[in-house]
Amino acid sequence: GNSVTQMEGPVTLSEEAFLTINCTYTATGYPSLFWYVQYPGEGLQLLLKATKADDKGSNKGFEATYRKETTSFHLEKGSVQVSDSAVYFCAPSPSGGYQKVTFGTGTKLQVIP
Amino acid sequence: DAEITQSPRHKITETGRQVTLACHQTWNHNNMFWYRQDLGHGLRLIHYSYGVHDTNKGEVSDGYSVSRSNTEDLPLTLESAASSQTSVYFCASSDEQGFPGELFFGEGSRLTVL
Repeated sequence: GNSVTQMEGPVTLSEEAFLTINCTYTATGYPSLFWYVQYPGEGLQLLLKATKADDKGSNKGFEATYRKETTSFHLEKGSVQVSDSAVYFCAPSPSGGYQKVTFGTGTKLQVIP
Repeated sequence: DAEITQSPRHKITETGRQVTLACHQTWNHNNMFWYRQDLGHGLRLIHYSYGVHDTNKGEVSDGYSVSRSNTEDLPLTLESAASSQTSVYFCASSDEQGFPGELFFGEGSRLTVL
């Protein structure tokens, strides 16, 4: 089956610090890869995605590169803001057929001024 | 704007009672999903549907049921609520048949079973 491993949280950073949240996965076939973000009191929303090897997804200053050889999709941002405080979920989506998205356990990010 | 709404947003019930959480989407998406979110477990899939009259069990389906009588709605029913079902429940939908792609989530329903 499919599985996702995310780094444990919470991650606490000062404003303008560099962020990396690690994500590795196992999946059958050739999955698409997603990062979702959940702000306090809200549902999840898509942050970025990549659909094939070496693709880089980006949005709101966040980036992640699809690394097929290491089955990883690490999330990075060069300079975090207080408004980035949220829970981040890595989610591979298997290709082909009627498949389901598997979510990681989530990594809580706290950015302090 | 199209959206996905859940109701109620908060619910307190007693052990053994039947509870139904509503999910309504206006995107005309074929795919709909119910997840529960618990500390340390992330999101776990309860049930999902790929179209009208189609329902499937997820990884934590025991004690839950769903029905899909139209495209817009996928209500989640707890037949006899248990304290272990205290959680935050999220409904989601997507429009890519055979390829889940981007999921659109509701704002969640917080259920407390006493």
